[in-house]
Amino acid sequence: AQSVTQLDSQVPVFEEAPVELRCNYSSSVSVYLFWYVQYPNQGLQLLLKYLSGSTLVKGINGFEAEFNKSQTSFHLRKPSVHISDTAEYFCAVSDLYEGAQKLVFGQGTRLTINP
Amino acid sequence: KAGVTQTPRYLIKTRGQQVTLSCSPISGHRSVSWYQQTPGQGLQFLFEYFSETQRNKGNFPGRFSGRQFSNSRSEMNVSTLELGDSALYLCASSITTWDSVRGFYGYTFGSGTRLTVV
Repeated sequence: AQSVTQLDSQVPVFEEAPVELRCNYSSSVSVYLFWYVQYPNQGLQLLLKYLSGSTLVKGINGFEAEFNKSQTSFHLRKPSVHISDTAEYFCAVSDLYEGAQKLVFGQGTRLTINP
Repeated sequence: KAGVTQTPRYLIKTRGQQVTLSCSPISGHRSVSWYQQTPGQGLQFLFEYFSETQRNKGNFPGRFSGRQFSNSRSEMNVSTLELGDSALYLCASSITTWDSVRGFYGYTFGSGTRLTVV
């Protein structure tokens, strides 16, 4: 079964600074990788996904992630963060079971933007 | 188009009671998955329904059950509630979750139902 490790539980950053949220997954023949964001008292919103093709994936709100198969990583980056990016971020990998998919999530990284 | 609708948004129940949560997927989506989110265990997969059939089930006790209706709306039920069942329950819909050509379709999540057991 797949597993996901988000290496940082909390990341404090100053506004307009760059940020990287780290994610590693257990290896598999083929994987589909996702980053979701959760704002307080809300569900999960998809930021970006890697299904195949280019290893650099661009998402919403200026975020991007790079799929690195050799390092089994899928780190999320943003060159300049805003106060509104304060939220919890979840990395997820698809896990195929008898033809049905589910997502396995990391424990989340709480991103705090300080003015 | 309307998103995934979960009702109710908040619920308080007493230990030993049972509870039913509802999820209406995006129109045209036939797959509904349920996840439990707690501070200690994070996001954990409960089960997935497609065309009224449970296709996949997570590692939860039998007190957790679900069903899907012909209009794709889904309900999950938790019987004999325990304090540890307090959580945010998230529903996610998809056209389907997997096919051999496209692979994984991905989900759209609802806002969740926050269940508190006292």
